Amino acid sequence: ETGVTQTPRHLVMGMTNKKSLKCEQHLGHNAMYWYKQSAKKPLELMFVYSLEERVENNSVPSRFSPECPNSSHLFLHLHTLQPEDSALYLCASSQEFPGSGEKLFFGSGTQLSVL
Amino acid sequence: DAKTTQPNSMESNEEEPVHLPCNHSTISGTDYIHWYRQLPSQGPEYVIHGLTSNVNNRMASLAIAEDRKSSTLILHRATLRDAAVYYCILRGHNAGGTSYGKLTFGQGTILTVHP
Repeated sequence: ETGVTQTPRHLVMGMTNKKSLKCEQHLGHNAMYWYKQSAKKPLELMFVYSLEERVENNSVPSRFSPECPNSSHLFLHLHTLQPEDSALYLCASSQEFPGSGEKLFFGSGTQLSVL
Repeated sequence: DAKTTQPNSMESNEEEPVHLPCNHSTISGTDYIHWYRQLPSQGPEYVIHGLTSNVNNRMASLAIAEDRKSSTLILHRATLRDAAVYYCILRGHNAGGTSYGKLTFGQGTILTVHP
């Protein structure tokens, strides 16, 4: 148990569906992240939120829409996805200080399949 | 972002030490060296990190070369539960002085542990 909980663990959706991934951290951290891990590819950073403000968006298509309503919760809203979006979506959190190299705590991920 | 180079795979026997190498010749002076591991169907798990000096914790040791262009993760006595993909990552900083979890993952080293 890392203190970062992701739901659901598995999700199957059609290309016309709208769904949301949820992440909750119980660690009191001030930064949260979404990563994508496709089969046989390295993890890719998608979005970063610091104190509920989005500070990084790595050229992610608009069919992925993040939301951070408070420092403990992070959502990834999905709509009109493509089969190539099938992947493991990982949430992480950390406590950031200027100039520090703090570690990240990852959730177990949501395995998404787009049909 | 500075890159790391790791062997694709390594093998070890149970109860023996394992030395996992990583080259990072373009590391900058403020980059921290992080190691994470990922077991099947789980998110990455923090192992250890350091800046210049060697580091020890309950999981492993990190030996950092004097010029910081390479490092070695040491598992003192491998167990079957240590079989995982091990990632060596440089934790960079954004312009504001905080790093916001800018972990750029590579392919990692697949460690196989034989009974």
